[in-house]
Amino acid sequence: AQSVAQPEDQVNVAEGNPLTVKCTYSVSGNPYLFWYVQYPNRGLQFLLKYITGDNLVKGSYGFEAEFNKSQTSFHLKKPSALVSDSALYFCAVRDQGGSARQLTFGSGTQLTVLP
Amino acid sequence: DAGVIQSPRHEVTEMGQEVTLRCKPISGHNSLFWYRQTMMRGLELLIYFNNNVPIDDSGMPEDRFSAKMPNASFSTLKIQPSEPRDSAVYFCASSYRTEANYGYTFGSGTRLTVV
Repeated sequence: AQSVAQPEDQVNVAEGNPLTVKCTYSVSGNPYLFWYVQYPNRGLQFLLKYITGDNLVKGSYGFEAEFNKSQTSFHLKKPSALVSDSALYFCAVRDQGGSARQLTFGSGTQLTVLP
Repeated sequence: DAGVIQSPRHEVTEMGQEVTLRCKPISGHNSLFWYRQTMMRGLELLIYFNNNVPIDDSGMPEDRFSAKMPNASFSTLKIQPSEPRDSAVYFCASSYRTEANYGYTFGSGTRLTVV
């Protein structure tokens, strides 16, 4: 079975500071990993994904995420947060070797960037 | 492309009434997913289709829920009869292939309130 955990329901950071939103996963094989962002009253928007290759993945709006196989983590990062980054962030996983053909989403982390 | 289009954006109905939610996926995408989002349960996959065929409906909560995809450009999610606990935001998403390394594109959602 595939699963993903976002241990923090809420993350607060001051504008201009670096931000990290945590994600850990569990799969039997190798993972496909994704980050999505949801702004109020909107659908989820794709930010970035890890399929294979470099462990550091760069995505939209200056976000990046680092795949760490030994720690089974895929934390989302940004060097300098903006107030406009405030939103709900979802991590998602699919086991490349598993039978499930769809993504499993985490419970979401509400990021608030304080001016 | 206009993206994934859902209608209506908001629906308020009385308990016991039938509700139909509609989705138009992105042209060329052959996988379609219906999700439900609530504060208590987060993002839940209800059902997904590949090439208009339902592949996995194990997330459909009960027989009151049904989904159809009569052609590649249209899907419906129907609740009959509706209950207050069905109140949630319902998202439709589409993907080029079921294999999730392609990622999903989400619609803006339908906010359903059953009173």
